[in-house]
Amino acid sequence: GAGVSQSPRYKVTKRGQDVALRCDPISGHVSLYWYRQALGQGPEFLTYFNYEAQQDKSGLPNDRFSAERPEGSISTLTIQRTEQRDSAMYRCASSLESQGRTEAFFGQGTRLTVV
Amino acid sequence: GENVEQHPSTLSVQEGDSAVIKCTYSDSASNYFPWYKQELGKRPQLIIDIRSNVGEKKDQRIAVTLNKTAKHFSLHITETQPEDSAVYFCAASKPARGYNKLIFGAGTRLAVHP
Repeated sequence: GAGVSQSPRYKVTKRGQDVALRCDPISGHVSLYWYRQALGQGPEFLTYFNYEAQQDKSGLPNDRFSAERPEGSISTLTIQRTEQRDSAMYRCASSLESQGRTEAFFGQGTRLTVV
Repeated sequence: GENVEQHPSTLSVQEGDSAVIKCTYSDSASNYFPWYKQELGKRPQLIIDIRSNVGEKKDQRIAVTLNKTAKHFSLHITETQPEDSAVYFCAASKPARGYNKLIFGAGTRLAVHP
């Protein structure tokens, strides 16, 4: 596709359920980032992939959060045993990260609501 | 870790006026400073960026200035138009194994009144 695609756009889940959020980056983009954006705030870094390698997960809040990118393209962010405080917009971004082209292109996000 | 402060949180201007948004960062090793515009209900989009080897960069009505000594950078929008109304985010990152972990400010909601 032309841009970063995320699914689902909206997810409402009950507290304690697991959720999986999907990101399809721009074709050929090496770098993939996950961010979380609370209402009225800037995006907050969660984790980074270089191809399939998760090179930085320093922003993951706790061990209920995990992410993978097994074939170096599509990535999944999984939140286990969801809590109300997990409610936020989850955004994926991808970047070519080559020859100085570092612009991060963001997806439209998945709005997660935990009830 | 890196911290980015952004001011003001809201800014209201008349069409045709200039708007200035300021950010400060804490980590002197930061060397990449992008600005993103986020319209209501849409994704953040890069509008301009600057690297630490440059003091100023301009693109039509938008300019960014960087003061490395003071660790602050600013976005300047001239001749504002109603379509400039959006939330603007500054960010900073430092080189780390070839990727850009962006630390964002809290955002500035700009309203341009006709």
